[in-house]
Amino acid sequence: GEDVEQSLFLSVREGDSSVINCTYTDSSSTYLYWYKQEPGAGLQLLTYIFSNMDMKQDQRLTVLLNKKDKHLSLRIADTQTGDSAIYFCAEKGDSGAGSYQLTFGKGTKLSVIP
Amino acid sequence: SAVISQKPSRDICQRGTSLTIQCQVDSQVTMMFWYRQQPGQSLTLIATANQGSEATYESGFVIDKFPISRPNLTFSTLTVSNMSPEDSSIYLCSAHGGNTEAFFGQGTRLTVV
Repeated sequence: GEDVEQSLFLSVREGDSSVINCTYTDSSSTYLYWYKQEPGAGLQLLTYIFSNMDMKQDQRLTVLLNKKDKHLSLRIADTQTGDSAIYFCAEKGDSGAGSYQLTFGKGTKLSVIP
Repeated sequence: SAVISQKPSRDICQRGTSLTIQCQVDSQVTMMFWYRQQPGQSLTLIATANQGSEATYESGFVIDKFPISRPNLTFSTLTVSNMSPEDSSIYLCSAHGGNTEAFFGQGTRLTVV
C-alpha cells in the first residue's frame, strides 16, 4: 500500500521557525494535507495543497511541495507555545472516481521551548 | 468548512459491552469515514460509511465488530461491539464535502476495562 513518512519529533525555541517534513510514495497523489492534533483533541485541518502547486502560504504557514521527490514540508514562522501539538501529513490518491480516502503519516510531535 | 460533532467525547466501558458513537455534520457531505487512532499511533481507516447501503470496510475490520449506519447525508454511527481492552483508542469521524477538504470530529476517546 501507499506510505507516508514523517520524523516523529521536532523541538524548536519560541520565535524560531519550525519545518516539519513528510515524504510519500503515491505518485498519483492529488491533494496533500497538514493536520494539527492538540492533546486530547481531534484533528484540525491546517492547510492543503493541490499536487500541481509547489507552494502555498497562509499567514504563518508555508507549504512546499516537491512532486518529483514526493516531499512535502510545513513551515511555521514565529513558532509559539500554542503551536505545540502533533502534526500529521496526509495524502489523497487518485484511485478512481469518488475516492476520498486519506493515508496518514505517524505524526510529528512539535515541542516549543519558551 | 464543515463542522463535525461527535458524541460521546469519551467513555469508559466494561469488556464485552458495546458502544455506539454518533457523528453529526452541519451540512450535507458526499463521503463520511471512520478512523481509529490507537495510543501514540497514526490514523487507520476503519470503513467508509455509505449513505443508504452497507459500509465499505478496510482490511482487518469487519461489520460484525464495527457495524456502521449512515441513514442520511449528515449523520453516521459507529458501534464498537463486544469490546476488549485492545479496542481502547480514539475513534474519529471524517467528512468530505467535495473533492478537497477533509474535516474531522473531535474524536471519541474509548477506554475498555
